[in-house]
Amino acid sequence: GAVVSQHPSWVICKSGTSVKIECRSLDFQATTMFWYRQFPKQSLMLMATSNEGSKATYEQGVEKDKFLINHASLTLSTLTVTSAHPEDSSFYICSAVSGEKKYNEQFFGPGTRLTVL
Amino acid sequence: RKEVEQDPGPFNVPEGATVAFNCTYSNSASQSFFWYRQDCRKEPKLLMSVYSSGNEDGRFTAQLNRASQYISLLIRDSKLSDSATYLCAGLSGGYNKLIFGAGTRLAVHP
Repeated sequence: GAVVSQHPSWVICKSGTSVKIECRSLDFQATTMFWYRQFPKQSLMLMATSNEGSKATYEQGVEKDKFLINHASLTLSTLTVTSAHPEDSSFYICSAVSGEKKYNEQFFGPGTRLTVL
Repeated sequence: RKEVEQDPGPFNVPEGATVAFNCTYSNSASQSFFWYRQDCRKEPKLLMSVYSSGNEDGRFTAQLNRASQYISLLIRDSKLSDSATYLCAGLSGGYNKLIFGAGTRLAVHP
C-alpha cells in the first residue's frame, strides 16, 4: 500500500512553454501533498505544501505565479511550471501524507525529470 | 545557517567496513527525524526513523542526540548495494514539512 505515482516521468519542452506534472496517491487519500525540487548533486528543496481544497503554501523564494499548484481531490495534485526556462530544468518530486497515519509518514512519487531547452 | 546540515562526502569504503554519518540540525523545536536513502535519479526511500533511545534495523543503527542537536546513522558490514546517497531529514512546522540535508554519498567498493 501507500503508492504515489507521478506523470510524466520525464519531459522535454521548449523555453516559454508550460508543463503540467501530476501526482497521484493510488491507494490512499492524501490530505496533504508536498512538492520538491532537486538540482543535480543537491538536496530536495521543498517548494510548496498542498492541501486538498485550499490554496497551496509556498516556501520562501518560490514564485507562486510561476509554479501553479492545484490539489483538486484527495488523490491528485498538479504542479504546472508556467513559461518554463532552462533554469527550471530539475527533478521534481511529490510526496503525499495519509491522514489516516498517526505519524504522517510521507510517501514519495518516483519524480519527474524536466528539461527545458 | 541551513536548518539541516550534512557532510556531502563521498565516503569511499571497502565491503565489510563500518561507516557512520552525522547530521546536525538547528531547529530545536523539531520533534521527529528520519534517514532516507536515495539512489541516482530515483526518489528518496525511508530507511528508518530516529529516536532518542536509538533505533536499530539489522546492520543499520540510528541515534538522536537532542543535547548536541545531531543525528547519526551507523552502517555495519557495508555491502556493495549500500552505495547510495543518504539524506537526513527533520519534521518542521505545523504541516509536517520535511527539511532535508544535502545528503551524504556513500560508495562501497569490492
